[in-house]
Amino acid sequence: DTGVSQDPRHKITKRGQNVTFRCDPISEHNRLYWYRQTLGQGPEFLTYFQNEAQLEKSRLLSDRFSAERPKGSFSTLEIQRTEQGDSAMYLCASSSSLFAGATETQYFGPGTRLLVL
Amino acid sequence: DQQVKQNSPSLSVQEGRISILNCDYTNSMFDYFLWYKKYPAEGPTFLISISSIKDKNEDGRFTVFLNKSAKHLSLHIVPSQPGDSAVYFCAATALIYNQGGKLIFGQGTELSVKP
Repeated sequence: DTGVSQDPRHKITKRGQNVTFRCDPISEHNRLYWYRQTLGQGPEFLTYFQNEAQLEKSRLLSDRFSAERPKGSFSTLEIQRTEQGDSAMYLCASSSSLFAGATETQYFGPGTRLLVL
Repeated sequence: DQQVKQNSPSLSVQEGRISILNCDYTNSMFDYFLWYKKYPAEGPTFLISISSIKDKNEDGRFTVFLNKSAKHLSLHIVPSQPGDSAVYFCAATALIYNQGGKLIFGQGTELSVKP
């Protein structure tokens, strides 16, 4: 299967702990996105990478959140000092942009469901 | 500020009939629109998209219509099948978003197709 994969699929943690999620995009895709989805809402944009460069971060991404994409391959999203309000589904998506300004379809992974107790 | 709105949280249709899911947007800069389908505990799956230079795009049983003057799009599923039962999200994007193409999603509509 060559789709987007995410690990872990589920994570339960206690408030104040740090958690890290991993996303492996479709291999030839140069753009990678992180979204967060809470119950009854659509996914909300968090951040995106063009190759290894993080080009945009949402206001939703507080300083407790950090994302990396070393070497433009997989990406990690870390949440430090988790809070109960961080409980959500964290979705990763990837796409292939042929040129700047191109609009292209984003393909999503299965998500990581985080529960902060 | 909800830039993309799906005002119907749920829709129930009979198998074989047409399902029509609606989506409204407020940002006139949006120029590309997508529909995703989501099953519980899975990520969204891409269904169909449409560029603002078109007013209709068709793919098999799925057709998306775009009315730019009304800032409205709709997804038609004909004929509806029980396997179509899922949550459907409308999403929009625009070149002004630093050319990164981030998606702005609606709240979703849960479609139930009854046999």
